[in-house]
Amino acid sequence: SSELTQDPAVSVALGQTVRITCQGDSLRSYYASWYQQKPGQAPVLVIYGENNRPSGIPDRFSGSSSGNTSSLTITGAQAEDEADYFCNSRDSTGNPLFGGGTKLTVL
Amino acid sequence: QVQLQESGPGLVKPSQTLSLTCTVSGGSISSGHYFWSWIRQPAGKGLEWIGRIYTAGSTNYNPSLKSRITISADTSKNQFSLNLSSVTAADTAVYFCARQEASAWKNFDYWGQGTLVTVSS
Repeated sequence: SSELTQDPAVSVALGQTVRITCQGDSLRSYYASWYQQKPGQAPVLVIYGENNRPSGIPDRFSGSSSGNTSSLTITGAQAEDEADYFCNSRDSTGNPLFGGGTKLTVL
Repeated sequence: QVQLQESGPGLVKPSQTLSLTCTVSGGSISSGHYFWSWIRQPAGKGLEWIGRIYTAGSTNYNPSLKSRITISADTSKNQFSLNLSSVTAADTAVYFCARQEASAWKNFDYWGQGTLVTVSS
């Protein structure tokens, strides 16, 4: 199916590690990319490909993939990481596809 | 530095056509290395890809919206535009324009700030 499924909300204690997951059939063929979105702002790319970070993204952000699941891991979460996170891949025709988003709360 | 800026009416009446323009600076929309997309986000909800335009005016559209969408480009002004016809309240959303790499990764690397469009009489 052409869907990417994410947990609606996840929380993590300050300084701890959190994993945000994304499931979908397309992830068996394509890597997911991950976007961070803070309130009132446009999304920002944080992870793409197998595990690549754009310039300026802290190395506490990492990505992984297994089967139909891609994961974004934040190791040592900071207060500024509180945001919505969206995974992105493509459907069988090559059109972009977004997950429903995960709201991350840093406690 | 590439910048994208959405413009257009913030209020559209039901059944009318929503029209938005994205003005790009710092890079040419004629470049074959990128796609130029529209993406929307209803309040409190996720991102929905609407469609894109690329080399020589080629387009791809979200099948769920395809019958109502037209995306076009004006290379002389370095702008691309979205027309969404027969709008309803369900089309109320923040609309973003974004640049997508045509590389293997297909990342959305630059985004506009977004513009809120409300459909209401």
